[in-house]
Amino acid sequence: AQTVTQSQPEMSVQEAETVTLSCTYDTSESDYYLFWYKQPPSRQMILVIRQEAYKQQNATENRFSVNFQKAAKSFSLKISDSQLGDAAMYFCAYLYNQGGKLIFGQGTELSVKP
Amino acid sequence: DTAVSQTPKYLVTQMGNDKSIKCEQNLGHDTMYWYKQDSKKFLKIMFSYNNKELIINETVPNRFSPKSPDKAHLNLHINSLELGDSAVYFCASSQDSTNTEAFFGQGTRLTVV
Repeated sequence: AQTVTQSQPEMSVQEAETVTLSCTYDTSESDYYLFWYKQPPSRQMILVIRQEAYKQQNATENRFSVNFQKAAKSFSLKISDSQLGDAAMYFCAYLYNQGGKLIFGQGTELSVKP
Repeated sequence: DTAVSQTPKYLVTQMGNDKSIKCEQNLGHDTMYWYKQDSKKFLKIMFSYNNKELIINETVPNRFSPKSPDKAHLNLHINSLELGDSAVYFCASSQDSTNTEAFFGQGTRLTVV
């Protein structure tokens, strides 16, 4: 069965600095999608970035980028130039193609210090 | 216009009651989902519907019954509420069951007292 693990329950970063959130996953599939979602205090789930496993190039969205290591089954999120608005819970997720369900990690609570 | 909307946003009710949470999406998507986020913020899928048909039913007590009157709506009815049902329930939708982007509603915080 597919599993997703986020080993950092909490992280902290100084404003304008860079932080990396870790995620590992387990699957026997060769083609799949991985995501990072952000959940601010408003509770809304916001898609931050998506990576397709068949693409070797790491996805990038403005200040957000991933380090996707397929062989190691690792999918970390790097946030550059951290802003106060980045403070939130971040979830790593794997898309299970049978029925489209997302399998989430436990989440990492990110705080940003001014 | 809200893409995926849930009502109510907050629900406080007593043990043993029956309650419903409604979800509507205006994105024209074929697939809708219910996820549960527990007190430790862990998110897990409960159900998935594709074109009004149930395609995923995780190990959820049968007190929980989803209903999809049409592909734009997926409601969640809960019978005989228990304290352990307290959680945030999220509705989501995607273009289809293989689509790679799910859009989430704002969640319904259910508190059972």
